[in-house]
Amino acid sequence: AQSVTQLGSHVSVSEGALVLLRCNYSSSVPPYLFWYVQYPNQGLQLLLKYTTGATLVKGINGFEAEFKKSETSFHLTKPSAHMSDAAEYFCAVSEGASKIIFGSGTRLSIRP
Amino acid sequence: EAQVTQNPRYLITVTGKKLTVTCSQNMNHEYMSWYRQDPGLGLRQIYYSMNVEVTDKGDVPEGYKVSRKEKRNFPLILESPSPNQTSLYFCASSPTLNTEAFFGQGTRLTVV
Repeated sequence: AQSVTQLGSHVSVSEGALVLLRCNYSSSVPPYLFWYVQYPNQGLQLLLKYTTGATLVKGINGFEAEFKKSETSFHLTKPSAHMSDAAEYFCAVSEGASKIIFGSGTRLSIRP
Repeated sequence: EAQVTQNPRYLITVTGKKLTVTCSQNMNHEYMSWYRQDPGLGLRQIYYSMNVEVTDKGDVPEGYKVSRKEKRNFPLILESPSPNQTSLYFCASSPTLNTEAFFGQGTRLTVV
């Protein structure tokens, strides 16, 4: 069965510092992988997705993620954090079955 | 504007009083689903629908009902709400399962 593990329920970084949010998945077949962001009092919106092809995926707002099959990981990074990046981030996996599985989320805080 | 619209945004009700949360999308998407979001648990799928008149259970379907009589609408029905259904609910739609999901703004439900 597919599953998603996000390491760290809360990550805090200084403005301008590297952002690294970790996601590991389990899947018996090549997965589709997603990162979503949720700002306060809003729904989720797609940051980026991996389906096939290039393993380094670029998304909106300067975020990117790398699919590493050997490590079953899909970590999200951003070189320089901005105050507006403060939000909750969800990693998700789909195997083309009937649903997408979401991780438990990581809340990102940015220190001035 | 392409969107998923949920109503109401906030709802406080009493145990046992039937309620319906509406969800409508204007993108002609075939796939729609309902999730509940609880702290530390991420999003868990309640029900999903792959097309009109085709619905199936997700991970946490107990106490909920859905219907899909029209492609654009996917209401969530709580026949006899209980306090453990207090949660934040999201409706989502996508053209197919493995493409970007578009989320509504959420419905915060409190059952007392």
